[in-house]
Amino acid sequence: EIVLTQSPDTLSLSPGERATLSCRASPSISRSYLAWYQQKPGLAPRLLIYAISSRATGIPDRFSGSGSGTDFTLTISRLEPEDFAVYYCQRYDNSLWTFGQGTKVEIK
Amino acid sequence: QLQLQESGPGLVKPSETLSLTCTVSGGSISSGSYYWGWIRQPPGKGLEWIGSIYYRGDTYYNPSLQSRVTISVDTSKNQFSLKVTSVTAADTAVYYCVRSDRGHFDPFDIWGHGTTVTVSS
Repeated sequence: EIVLTQSPDTLSLSPGERATLSCRASPSISRSYLAWYQQKPGLAPRLLIYAISSRATGIPDRFSGSGSGTDFTLTISRLEPEDFAVYYCQRYDNSLWTFGQGTKVEIK
Repeated sequence: QLQLQESGPGLVKPSETLSLTCTVSGGSISSGSYYWGWIRQPPGKGLEWIGSIYYRGDTYYNPSLQSRVTISVDTSKNQFSLKVTSVTAADTAVYYCVRSDRGHFDPFDIWGHGTTVTVSS
């Protein structure tokens, strides 16, 4: 079974702080088929990061992705008010797409 | 700029078939660089990939839904469609149509606004 497990479920931080979101893959991801999305209430998700670490068009450089194999991280270097949202990781395997369950970043 | 727009009934009765269409504007669905797909999100829950299609008609489905789902494409209308049969309350969700970019490790780079489908008698 292909699974992505995100942690924590909720991250409570203040504006200006650093956010570190984790995504664990089972089985491991052998190529760079890992992406991250941001979703705000009532809106469609927005692509932030693709190929593990490449920022999508228009995404600020405070967002960065890293990792390999089974462990991947989305880092927001300094939280802006508009960054409080839910974040999903997603993998692609031989024409199958799978999402993690999401991490909510909320204002502390 | 390419845009996606979902359309279809917002209310479906249990045991009936849910049918949605996604209209692609600002670009051609026949580009070989993309898959076209559907994702849903039940109220208060996460994202679930339903399935995707290539413009030639090759289809790929979530194994958990495969027995009830059909995705088709109409290149003459620049549209693709979703059918889910034998729906129950568990199929109540916001349904998004999406594009995935085959040239950049297949992320979902463009999303429709989403359409809410409620299954209820």
